Amino acid sequence: EAQVTQNPRYLITVTGKKLTVTCSQNMNHEYMSWYRQDPGLGLRQIYYSMNVEVTDKGDVPEGYKVSRKEKRNFPLILESPSPNQTSLYFCASSLSIGASEETQYFGPGTRLLVL
Amino acid sequence: ILNVEQSPQSLHVQEGDSTNFTCSFPSSNFYALHWYRWETAKSPEALFVMTLNGDEKKKGRISATLNTKEGYSYLYIKGSQPEDSATYLCAYSNTGNQFYFGTGTSLTVIP
Repeated sequence: EAQVTQNPRYLITVTGKKLTVTCSQNMNHEYMSWYRQDPGLGLRQIYYSMNVEVTDKGDVPEGYKVSRKEKRNFPLILESPSPNQTSLYFCASSLSIGASEETQYFGPGTRLLVL
Repeated sequence: ILNVEQSPQSLHVQEGDSTNFTCSFPSSNFYALHWYRWETAKSPEALFVMTLNGDEKKKGRISATLNTKEGYSYLYIKGSQPEDSATYLCAYSNTGNQFYFGTGTSLTVIP
């Protein structure tokens, strides 16, 4: 089944404790992206990747890192989480973004609480 | 930060009513406009991608139009059903790489 998976789905952590949220897609997609969703705000793009070893900042990259060593995986790393990173996180992928008709497929979301 | 606005923020309609909502976005440097349907406790699911001024897309009872010159898109639902209840998101891209989402329109269809 074609899908985007994220792990963990729920996470409670404490300020400063490094964590990684994994994202994997099995559709051979080139483009992958991370978003955060906060009440009253639209989905905001954190980082995106056009292909292996190519990553770029989105609108709200501060406090996050990503890597794209393999095409299928795009982990989101919080080196020193803070309470303002408490949010619902979505990973998404698409075949490519250069093509005009491509759409994004979203993972199930990761709900993060930083105490 | 680019401003993508959706209206109304929420609406309630009776089963069988037709409804529409709006997404407005910057008209300069337009690349694509996406519509997504987002049900509670699920992930956003793609409805339409539109790239050309005047584009119209249709999927069942749901359709969308695009005006890139004035910077707006309409989503229409004909004969709303309870299963149409969801939040409808639009996302604008000006380069094809970055996406800017609106805050969504929450639709409740009352049986």
